[in-house]
Amino acid sequence: GQNIDQPTEMTATEGAIVQINCTYQTSGFNGLFWYQQHAGEAPTFLSYNVLDGLEEKGRFSSFLSRSKGYSYLLLKELQMKDSASYLCASWDSNYQLIWGAGTKLIIKP
Amino acid sequence: DTGVSQNPRHKITKRGQNVTFRCDPISEHNRLYWYRQTLGQGPEFLTYFQNEAQLEKSRLLSDRFSAERPKGSFSTLEIQRTEQGDSAMYLCASSSGGDTDTQYFGPGTRLTVL
Repeated sequence: GQNIDQPTEMTATEGAIVQINCTYQTSGFNGLFWYQQHAGEAPTFLSYNVLDGLEEKGRFSSFLSRSKGYSYLLLKELQMKDSASYLCASWDSNYQLIWGAGTKLIIKP
Repeated sequence: DTGVSQNPRHKITKRGQNVTFRCDPISEHNRLYWYRQTLGQGPEFLTYFQNEAQLEKSRLLSDRFSAERPKGSFSTLEIQRTEQGDSAMYLCASSSGGDTDTQYFGPGTRLTVL
């Protein structure tokens, strides 16, 4: 079957670092996305990984291990505006995006 | 770049009525996707167009749902005989293809069926 798992909710402190994990099982692998979604708004693109390793974009980094079916999103220097849901999504062999349910990140002062 | 736009942003309707939503993709994007999202869940794929051709449709999608993209630009999603279970956020996304084929989402249409 095809499945993406991520934690339902995480809490972190302003200024700290948080790592949001995602494991995937898809019938084919053609890349993995991370999106940010604030409550009541549409998802916005954060990152895309297709090769193993770490991709860094400012305060946000995304890591992929294809052999382990695992990715994480690393958020540094957390700000209150980072409170949102973070969605992991992966292409399957039919080139449809399979989405996780999202991880709700709560930032506390 | 005006981004993906969707209309209306909110729709309240009574059970049994028909509703139609519109999506205008980013102008140079040839791919257009419709998703449905409920609270606490990720987007659920509904259907996908490449230009005006509807290439994929979710097997889970009821025949009450239909989508068109007549000229390969904007798209409409119609739900006939709405049910309370249709209440959700309906998201449209577009992409230009290419190596990553990143999808860019519109603000969504929130449907409430009473």
